[in-house]
Amino acid sequence: AQSVTQPDIHITVSEGASLELRCNYSYGATPYLFWYVQSPGQGLQLLLKYFSGDTLVQGIKGFEAEFKRSQSSFNLRKPSVHWSDAAEYFCAVGGENTDKLIFGTGTRLQVFP
Amino acid sequence: GAGVSQSPSNKVTEKGKDVELRCDPISGHTALYWYRQSLGQGLEFLIYFQGNSAPDKSGLPSDRFSAERTGGSVSTLTIQRTQQEDSAVYLCASSLGTSGRTTYEQYFGPGTRLTVT
Repeated sequence: AQSVTQPDIHITVSEGASLELRCNYSYGATPYLFWYVQSPGQGLQLLLKYFSGDTLVQGIKGFEAEFKRSQSSFNLRKPSVHWSDAAEYFCAVGGENTDKLIFGTGTRLQVFP
Repeated sequence: GAGVSQSPSNKVTEKGKDVELRCDPISGHTALYWYRQSLGQGLEFLIYFQGNSAPDKSGLPSDRFSAERTGGSVSTLTIQRTQQEDSAVYLCASSLGTSGRTTYEQYFGPGTRLTVT
């Protein structure tokens, strides 16, 4: 069955520090992978997506993610975090065998000045 | 262009009452999804529409939950005889959804926060 695991419920970083949010997935075929961000009181916004090809994908707001098939991972990274990045981040998986996305439980990012 | 809109943004209702939540997708998007986000939880898939039909209702938690979509556009999620455990944020998303990869690029509305007292 499809599943997504985000092992870190809550992460705190200082502004300007680098960031990596972990995502592991389980999917029986080639996955389509997504990262969404949810600011307080807002809906979800798509940060980036992976379908195929280059395993390092660039997204909005300076985020990137790397697909590692051998590790079933799709970790989100940012070299220097801004205070405005404080939000909840969700990883999701879909694929050709399904019409829906399966979301992880999210990682809440807190940024200290 | 306009994004996905949902109404109401907040709804407080008494236990046992029925509620209707509305979603207006992005124009031209044929696929529409409903999710539930409970406090401290991720997004729980409820139901998916392709046009006016719902090929996947597997996420509806009980027969008190139903949804419809008319004209390939607006969708309504109805919860009958609400219970306190129904309190959550209900999110709607839409996608081009014709085929292939565009199906999975979902655009979300701001959600409806439902509180059952």
